[in-house]
Amino acid sequence: ETGVTQTPRHLVMGMTNKKSLKCEQHLGHNAMYWYKQSAKKPLELMFVYSLEERVENNSVPSRFSPECPNSSHLFLHLHTLQPEDSALYLCASSQGLGLKGDNEQFFGPGTRLTVL
Amino acid sequence: QKEVEQDPGPLSVPEGAIVSLNCTYSNSAFQYFMWYRQYSRKGPELLMYTYSSGNKEDGRFTAQVDKSSKYISLFIRDSQPSDSATYLCAMSARGSNYKLTFGKGTLLTVNP
Repeated sequence: ETGVTQTPRHLVMGMTNKKSLKCEQHLGHNAMYWYKQSAKKPLELMFVYSLEERVENNSVPSRFSPECPNSSHLFLHLHTLQPEDSALYLCASSQGLGLKGDNEQFFGPGTRLTVL
Repeated sequence: QKEVEQDPGPLSVPEGAIVSLNCTYSNSAFQYFMWYRQYSRKGPELLMYTYSSGNKEDGRFTAQVDKSSKYISLFIRDSQPSDSATYLCAMSARGSNYKLTFGKGTLLTVNP
């Protein structure tokens, strides 16, 4: 595997389900990100982790719970979602947070989530 | 006013045309400017990155930044069908480089 991988690629869940999205980066990066991409709306930054520490929570509802067990893996735990949470969820990684010009973000292919 | 405005298109051009894609922004703190390309069913990939006003060229692609007008552009010369994708502008401020603010993206189709 190379780059940034995400599983599953597609997920359909009911509003009472609990599911998790997984992201893995094979680039040796130290920072990882979750983004939400909805139709007709710009990409929205959700969470940022640097060296497994959360550095950004962009006012995301608590029904989204991120977890970063190590610098290569990032999870997004989902519970009691709403239909408006249906979107493409993208994971990205970068060498650092950009303070030294090292913030090129590499994206995974995304998980297409549908909440019924 | 949205922080970043980008015409979503769609934009359809014949092969070989010059394509101009644009974004305007309102936050004068933005110092870093990027263009991403996103193919269908893929994640965005970085095309161009610049942090100063002026032009930056890479092959058939030229990124232009005018900070005084808060306006950025991406030009594609000799467009190819393989350039058909959604183009996203993104920008960030000094000190929070990692916090990218994106435009909605412009869907481009280059017809053979």
